[in-house]
Amino acid sequence: AQSVTQLGSHVSVSEGALVLLRCNYSSSVPPYLFWYVQYPNQGLQLLLKYTSAATLVKGINGFEAEFKKSETSFHLTKPSAHMSDAAEYFCAVSVTTSGTYKYIFGTGTRLKVLA
Amino acid sequence: SAVISQKPSRDICQRGTSLTIQCQVDSQVTMMFWYRQQPGQSLTLIATANQGSEATYESGFVIDKFPISRPNLTFSTLTVSNMSPEDSSIYLCSVYKVTPGLAYNEQFFGPGTRLTVL
Repeated sequence: AQSVTQLGSHVSVSEGALVLLRCNYSSSVPPYLFWYVQYPNQGLQLLLKYTSAATLVKGINGFEAEFKKSETSFHLTKPSAHMSDAAEYFCAVSVTTSGTYKYIFGTGTRLKVLA
Repeated sequence: SAVISQKPSRDICQRGTSLTIQCQVDSQVTMMFWYRQQPGQSLTLIATANQGSEATYESGFVIDKFPISRPNLTFSTLTVSNMSPEDSSIYLCSVYKVTPGLAYNEQFFGPGTRLTVL
């Protein structure tokens, strides 16, 4: 069965420091992977997606993620954190089972940016 | 892309009552989904809203508690019935839009409905 695991429910970084949010996937077929961000009191916004075109994926707001098949990982990074990056981040995998499509979400990582 | 609106954006309800949440999309979409996000938790899929047929519910969710309608390709409703405080959550509508020529599915989310049950 396909799934995603996010390590660390809470991550704190200083403003200007590297952001690293971890996501590992489990999939028997090439996965489609996504990172979403949820700002307080808002819905989900797509940050970036991996669809097998390139292993290094660049998204919005300076975020990027690298798909590593050998490590079954799709970690999200940003070189320099900004206060506005404080939010909840979700990793997700797209699953198609018996013709039925759905997303499977990770448990989320809350990013706190310290001044 | 797809622009999704939800009504109401938030509500406070009494135990035992029901609330219907509306989801409107700015274009026709194949599939619509309803998710629940309980406080401090991730998103859990409640059901897939199918146009012209009954919704498909995930394990742990039943039609009597969460009846869903989908009268056309741009609109769906989710009702939370006989509410209890445990139903206090954010309920999100989501749509799956096929992009011609692409193998993957792109999913878009509404802003959510924040429900508090007293």
